[in-house]
Amino acid sequence: NAGVTQTPKFRILKIGQSMTLQCTQDMNHNYMYWYRQDPGMGLKLIYYSVGAGITDKGEVPNGYNVSRSTTEDFPLRLELAAPSQTSVYFCAIAGEFGSYEQYFGPGTRLTVT
Amino acid sequence: EDKVVQSPLSLVVHEGDTVTLNCSYEVTNFRSLLWYKQEKKAPTFLFMLTSSGIEKKSGRLSSILDKKELFSILNITATQTGDSAIYLCAVRGGSGNKLVFGAGTILRVKS
Repeated sequence: NAGVTQTPKFRILKIGQSMTLQCTQDMNHNYMYWYRQDPGMGLKLIYYSVGAGITDKGEVPNGYNVSRSTTEDFPLRLELAAPSQTSVYFCAIAGEFGSYEQYFGPGTRLTVT
Repeated sequence: EDKVVQSPLSLVVHEGDTVTLNCSYEVTNFRSLLWYKQEKKAPTFLFMLTSSGIEKKSGRLSSILDKKELFSILNITATQTGDSAIYLCAVRGGSGNKLVFGAGTILRVKS
């Protein structure tokens, strides 16, 4: 998956718990993204980053936070898990200067009960 | 608000059939349209289209973009069971490198 790793692969959370989804890349790409995918809904952008120290909200940022202290890592934080956050989460990376296709990590399946 | 609509939502065909998947879009400052294939896990990149009327081809898959009518099609000829997947269309517009995805078309190829 183009050098994008995500951990964990699966996680079950109780309502109100917190967790961090990890995303690491070894491609030295500046652009990184977090999406969630619900059945029949395509991919929705949660947060993205255009480089270390720079992050911005996507379509569905509520309930999530991110940080980007290094080029390699882009963790996604859920502070107070809710059942509506049950989803599959994908991290993606993209290059610049003509290479605009995004490459996805293997995903994290999260269930909040 | 940028929007991408794919049709049909799902279809079932037999091996050897030809299928056409549709993607229409409304986006500010269009830059490119991308097609992805998603089997059980992460989406994998198929094509990126930026210019109207120029067909991109890879084996039995091909795609074309119409920037005047704001749509793209993805054709798969001589379908195989391995083509069964969700096909996602995404559009890049505005500034930066954000993609807006459609809901996808679920294709099932029966043997």
